[in-house]
Amino acid sequence: AQSVTQLDSQVPVFEEAPVELRCNYSSSVSVYLFWYVQYPNQGLQLLLKYLSGSTLVKGINGFEAEFNKSQTSFHLRKPSVHISDTAEYFCAVSDRTPLVFGKGTRLSVIA
Amino acid sequence: DAGVTQSPTHLIKTRGQQVTLRCSPKSGHDTVSWYQQALGQGPQFIFQYYEEEERQRGNFPDRFSGHQFPNYSSELNVNALLLGDSALYLCASSGPLGAISTDTQYFGPGTRLTVL
Repeated sequence: AQSVTQLDSQVPVFEEAPVELRCNYSSSVSVYLFWYVQYPNQGLQLLLKYLSGSTLVKGINGFEAEFNKSQTSFHLRKPSVHISDTAEYFCAVSDRTPLVFGKGTRLSVIA
Repeated sequence: DAGVTQSPTHLIKTRGQQVTLRCSPKSGHDTVSWYQQALGQGPQFIFQYYEEEERQRGNFPDRFSGHQFPNYSSELNVNALLLGDSALYLCASSGPLGAISTDTQYFGPGTRLTVL
């Protein structure tokens, strides 16, 4: 069975500082990996996805993530965060089955 | 291009009642999945519909049922509501089936269900 572990439940960071949100997954087969963002009282918005090809994936709002098969990780990064990046971030895995989500990381950007 | 839409946005019910939530998929999508997101948790898969049939189901009791219509829209029904059913219910669409894009699910804004 697949599972996703988001190693940090909360990440506070100052505005314009870099941030990394960590995600590790377990799966016995090839997987597709996703990061979604959820703003307060809203649904999930797709930030980026890894399906195949280059292991460095660029998404919306300046975010990027790197797929590392040997470490079974898919960490999300942004070089300079803004106040508007404050939200809940979910990592998810799929092997052509429905998505399995982590518990989320709350990113709080401090002015 | 309209994204995934859900109705209603909020709903308050009492224990034992029944509820129906609705979802219209993104244009061009033929597969609809439903997820339950409890407060402070990640979404949990309930079931997925394709060609008006339930394709896969998560670990949810039979009180949770669904339907998909010929226009690909979908309903989620929950019977005999429990306090623990209070959550944000998310609908996601994907497709067309067979394309690699099938594996990318796009979510609606959700329906917040409160059971008193």
